[in-house]
Amino acid sequence: DVVLTQTPVAQPVTLGDQASISCRSSQSLVHSNGNTYLEWYLQKPGQSPQLLIYKVSNRFSGVPDRFIGSGSGSDFTLKISRVEPEDLGVYYCFQATHDPWTFGGGTKLELK
Amino acid sequence: EVQLQESGPGLVKPSQSLSLTCSVTGYSITSSYRWNWIRKFPGNKLEWMGYINSAGSTNYNPSLKSRISITRDTSKNQFFLQVNSVTTEDTATYYCARRTGSGPRFDYWGQGVMVTVSS
Repeated sequence: DVVLTQTPVAQPVTLGDQASISCRSSQSLVHSNGNTYLEWYLQKPGQSPQLLIYKVSNRFSGVPDRFIGSGSGSDFTLKISRVEPEDLGVYYCFQATHDPWTFGGGTKLELK
Repeated sequence: EVQLQESGPGLVKPSQSLSLTCSVTGYSITSSYRWNWIRKFPGNKLEWMGYINSAGSTNYNPSLKSRISITRDTSKNQFFLQVNSVTTEDTATYYCARRTGSGPRFDYWGQGVMVTVSS
């Protein structure tokens, strides 16, 4: 199975700061069709996960432009500029290039 | 608006079967897309369990393949999860989620149902 390693495990931030989360894959996430199926989800306390980014860098409808996904191959990053209170929670990367689909271990974005 | 809602018993005894229902409103599960089960273990780990697609075909995570079954009732617009021979390691919050086809992603999730396996 593809292992997605997220770092850091926890990211203490001050509101207004930039935050960056890394997701590294045990193998390339480029599909044979040329697409890269790497997504980012945020789970806020008491809520279900919600989609932020799909296919590496595409923001889902309604997601603010302070969320930026980037990367290629097996190395991906989610950057959040100007962290706001509603951004706190656990972030997960997810890959659907290889079966079985797998999630990263999560990164908790929390206040300092 | 598309909504998904999980339901089922919150407590299951070891060695028994866990059965959950996902009720979908606002979209027909036979129209398109893949209808998934995902679980979150205590301690934050998420695991994709499997899906049933709009045609009724299934795909399961091999880690569960011998114990899992996903079925549906198209007349009620519901799909179901059954996990056999559960152990305490199956204690988790279970979510159902829709996965779109193009630009694929999990765009709608249920609110989750917590299931504890304990005698």
